[in-house]
Amino acid sequence: DAMVIQNPRYQVTQFGKPVTLSCSQTLNHNVMYWYQQKSSQAPKLLFHYYDKDFNNEADTPDNFQSRRPNTSFCFLDIRSPGLGDAAMYLCATSNPGGGNSYEQYFGPGTRLTVT
Amino acid sequence: LAKTTQPISMDSYEGQEVNITCSHNNIATNDYITWYQQFPSQGPRFIIQGYKTKVTNEVASLFIPADRKSSTLSLPRVSLSDTAVYYCLVGDNAGKSTFGDGTTLTVKP
Repeated sequence: DAMVIQNPRYQVTQFGKPVTLSCSQTLNHNVMYWYQQKSSQAPKLLFHYYDKDFNNEADTPDNFQSRRPNTSFCFLDIRSPGLGDAAMYLCATSNPGGGNSYEQYFGPGTRLTVT
Repeated sequence: LAKTTQPISMDSYEGQEVNITCSHNNIATNDYITWYQQFPSQGPRFIIQGYKTKVTNEVASLFIPADRKSSTLSLPRVSLSDTAVYYCLVGDNAGKSTFGDGTTLTVKP
């Protein structure tokens, strides 16, 4: 089945130690998103790619970077994780021009713990 | 980006219709409204999308008034498994989007 896959599902890293979260999709969608969701809060958009065009939200810290080497894969790099970066990180895709063209397809998320 | 406001929580009973309203006063001309359902430790799941008037699918209806400054998700005959957080999302399909704070719906037997 076509889907959005996030690996790993759970990630533990140390304070200040760089970490990379990965997302892949088999939907061939143009747009890929990264959201941060903290406990009992709504998902917060960090950035998105429209094809290769990178769009950073104004309040996304510089500590967060992203790469999209091809249509299928997108990575979230946290250069120096702090305790406040512990959260669920959600990857999503969308296909402008598709049937429900505003639908975002979400992966299961990666829960990041910072020790 | 349009700011969205939703009630924090709602309670209902099995078999009842539930209506959840989202306010988005600053919605832009190109913005659509979508609603998502999220269970604990899972990613949000799409429910319905709309631009104006009424949209209905197999699980829900979406009512959007002419001024588009709010929208109402209607869930007919809820069951216990509909207990979840419901989010409205306003944005265009080029990537700009804002989630509301979410409404925790609790369905009681």
